[in-house]
Amino acid sequence: NAGVTQTPKFRVLKTGQSMTLLCAQDMNHEYMYWYRQDPGMGLRLIHYSVGEGTTAKGEVPDGYNVSRLKKQNFLLGLESAAPSQTSVYFCASSHPRAGKNEQFFGPGTRLTVL
Amino acid sequence: AQSVTQPDIHITVSEGASLELRCNYSYGATPYLFWYVQSPGQGLQLLLKYFSGDTLVQGIKGFEAEFKRSQSSFNLRKPSVHWSDAAEYFCAVGPSKINQGGKLIFGQGTELSVKP
Repeated sequence: NAGVTQTPKFRVLKTGQSMTLLCAQDMNHEYMYWYRQDPGMGLRLIHYSVGEGTTAKGEVPDGYNVSRLKKQNFLLGLESAAPSQTSVYFCASSHPRAGKNEQFFGPGTRLTVL
Repeated sequence: AQSVTQPDIHITVSEGASLELRCNYSYGATPYLFWYVQSPGQGLQLLLKYFSGDTLVQGIKGFEAEFKRSQSSFNLRKPSVHWSDAAEYFCAVGPSKINQGGKLIFGQGTELSVKP
């Protein structure tokens, strides 16, 4: 099993450009999450999904959109990138077995917006 | 408000010394608690978790944590630190009920440096 994978690993954008980050998991998990990590702020939840076709806002959703068309994939989109979106983005997944929501993380995508 | 506080942003310990990383949480319901470790340039790896039962839980790499409900704390410990333990450590709290989306709240992280 590959676990949680993220594409791409690195990306540099110019202000105003758009891009999509792809997260894939092969563990048949119901729940998937997108976080951003900034120095001194820990991980902050951007959006999450509790199942195929459903998404919900997290703590810092502005400027991002997501889609979960297939259970194994969770896409994060930036329609018009801004320098404030320079960050490391992590995807995670979990399965709500008896409420034990241990999350499994991908390796991250380092995004720089110039 | 739900929150997790890791009071120590950066800790330096000597190799072979003991380690304790502090974590305090504020959560309205019975929480599940986690410690994750992040090596430079890597994703997060689960060290250990507490769901219920024995309040002292054992994890990987020789780490353990103790849940103290009265103090709302879940401190991470290791008796003897190795140079490879240098990393950033995150405490997290999440819901114990299935229908709450499994969202975790993370602390700000504690960066651990190990002196030879």
